[in-house]
Amino acid sequence: DTEVTQTPKHLVMGMTNKKSLKCEQHMGHRAMYWYKQKAKKPPELMFVYSYEKLSINESVPSRFSPECPNSSLLNLHLHALQPEDSALYLCASSQERGRTVKYFGPGTRLTVT
Amino acid sequence: DAKTTQPTSMDCAEGRAANLPCNHSTISGNEYVYWYRQIHSQGPQYIIHGLKNNETNEMASLIITEDRKSSTLILPHATLRDTAVYYCIVSLAYGGSQGNLIFGKGTKLSVKP
Repeated sequence: DTEVTQTPKHLVMGMTNKKSLKCEQHMGHRAMYWYKQKAKKPPELMFVYSYEKLSINESVPSRFSPECPNSSLLNLHLHALQPEDSALYLCASSQERGRTVKYFGPGTRLTVT
Repeated sequence: DAKTTQPTSMDCAEGRAANLPCNHSTISGNEYVYWYRQIHSQGPQYIIHGLKNNETNEMASLIITEDRKSSTLILPHATLRDTAVYYCIVSLAYGGSQGNLIFGKGTKLSVKP
């Protein structure tokens, strides 16, 4: 099983809302990632978790707050977002941090109004 | 600097083999060639990777030239569901401490009935 699941599939939120994106994998992978993808652009790395600890934050604004409750789950908490944050948010996992083979979830399509 | 060069777009007839080329003339000895694809509005999907030898799995075949400066991804019997952007990525098996996947612009493959 190489499945990474993400919920919700679509999310519309106002600039004052607080929402969370969820990601789950049961492959025993110890690294999990959040990417952001704008239309017609390649995915851009946001955060990397390794063994449930945040190891990389690619200078992401604090209105994005990641959380890794356990080795299978990854959350992205959203607060006071801007319309330009509208994008496809992708979760991925790999056996260990740095492994180039990664498995991606289907993504959450976020629209900020 | 771009490490790979791919055609912007290609067409393929359904049922025929799709051959997607990639040039990577500056590849170093310990770097692998990875292929991912992204179907519209979905997460990227790992396809295959190789170092020197040709590789085959249930999805595709990867042919790497002897000098390793170019490679070809082959989808033996393309279907409409193979319409996607295909990314050729050159990287170490462990992509450095960041573990980031550097997606280029890829090749937009359109499989036509």
